[in-house]
Amino acid sequence: EAGVAQSPRYKIIEKRQSVAFWCNPISGHATLYWYQQILGQGPKLLIQFQNNGVVDDSQLPKDRFSAERLKGVDSTLKIQPAKLEDSAVYLCASSLDWRIYNEQFFGPGTRLTVL
Amino acid sequence: ELKVEQNPLFLSMQEGKNYTIYCNYSTTSDRLYWYRQDPGKSLESLFVLLSNGAVKQEGRLMASLDTKARLSTLHITAAVHDLSATYFCAVDNMEYGNKLVFGAGTILRVKS
Repeated sequence: EAGVAQSPRYKIIEKRQSVAFWCNPISGHATLYWYQQILGQGPKLLIQFQNNGVVDDSQLPKDRFSAERLKGVDSTLKIQPAKLEDSAVYLCASSLDWRIYNEQFFGPGTRLTVL
Repeated sequence: ELKVEQNPLFLSMQEGKNYTIYCNYSTTSDRLYWYRQDPGKSLESLFVLLSNGAVKQEGRLMASLDTKARLSTLHITAAVHDLSATYFCAVDNMEYGNKLVFGAGTILRVKS
């Protein structure tokens, strides 16, 4: 079974530029999550999708971050404009269905460096 | 607000020794998860603990859950170098949309 795929793996940008990350969850998983992991900390949830609807985006900085999962499969996370404090690893995870069983499987992550 | 605390945050131990990592959480939780993360890698699921008194073991790692004390432990038996990694616990709760809330992680270094 293929795992969660993410791209790119690494990205270096200057502040005020924009960047986008892509995630393809495990086939058949209805729930998709984006996490931000700052060095030395545990992952923090940014947004949670159930199919193509948003379940929780309470911790997403909506003035600069946006995410979509239009067809209920792949998802993109965008930052525009980026700030220095956005330097982190962005992890995508998926689970079968958060309402039934919430074991989440994580992708390899995208390491973002903002200069 | 659902909070998760791990301790210790850093653990250096000799091969062959035993030790325990503790995970406390602030409110009732439906489930408790343990993950392992190697440097530069993603998170690997180790254990999912679903009920009070649950105990799961895999190799030299054993996890347990006491929901009354709001405490989970990850016990390491006869540590080997390959166990060096960062270990995270996380909890979820229906009241919080079942989102995972992670502890800060415990960096484990096993010295040979």
